[in-house]
Amino acid sequence: EAEVAQSPRYKITEKSQAVAFWCDPISGHATLYWYRQILGQGPELLVQFQDESVVDDSQLPKDRFSAERLKGVDSTLKIQPAELGDSAMYLCASSLAFQGAEETQYFGPGTRLLVL
Amino acid sequence: LAKTTQPISMDSYEGQEVNITCSHNNIATNDYITWYQQFPSQGPRFIIQGYKTKVTNEVASLFIPADRKSSTLSLPRVSLSDTAVYYCLVGGSGNTPLVFGKGTRLSVIA
Repeated sequence: EAEVAQSPRYKITEKSQAVAFWCDPISGHATLYWYRQILGQGPELLVQFQDESVVDDSQLPKDRFSAERLKGVDSTLKIQPAELGDSAMYLCASSLAFQGAEETQYFGPGTRLLVL
Repeated sequence: LAKTTQPISMDSYEGQEVNITCSHNNIATNDYITWYQQFPSQGPRFIIQGYKTKVTNEVASLFIPADRKSSTLSLPRVSLSDTAVYYCLVGGSGNTPLVFGKGTRLSVIA
């Protein structure tokens, strides 16, 4: 069964450092999502791509966060500089499209970030 | 922006049927209803999706009344391994992003 891959699974960094997370969606999935999940809460959408284009980044803190999906396949989410409040699980998901039943999202295992 | 309302938590004994109801009064005509399961330190896992009436798969059933303003996830004969957070989402019309609520924390006890 095809899966969404993410790396690293865990990351510990000090505040003010830069961190980057990688996601490889299920093959053929045009839509890719990055979520942040704080302990005890549901995932919060940060950015959504359709192929290589950003569809929604309204909740992405653009002063420190950036995301790219240059070739419309894998994607990188970067935080620079990291702050203590960024400690969370970062989840990547992909779907065939962004409408109808094809928007069903399949999630990766996540990257747990701890900022010290 | 469609929003959902679910109970914060539920408890059940092993072997019982569990029904989790979700309210989504502002569901759009083209929106689907999707349920996810999440274990600690893992990404959400797709359980079931429906548009109207009843959908059943090997894991669960989803009941959606005619007005589609609510839906009920039914888990037959739960086991300890079903202890997780369950999220109800509505969307798929392409106009608004999917929004996760806080979900329902199901605890199954022996």
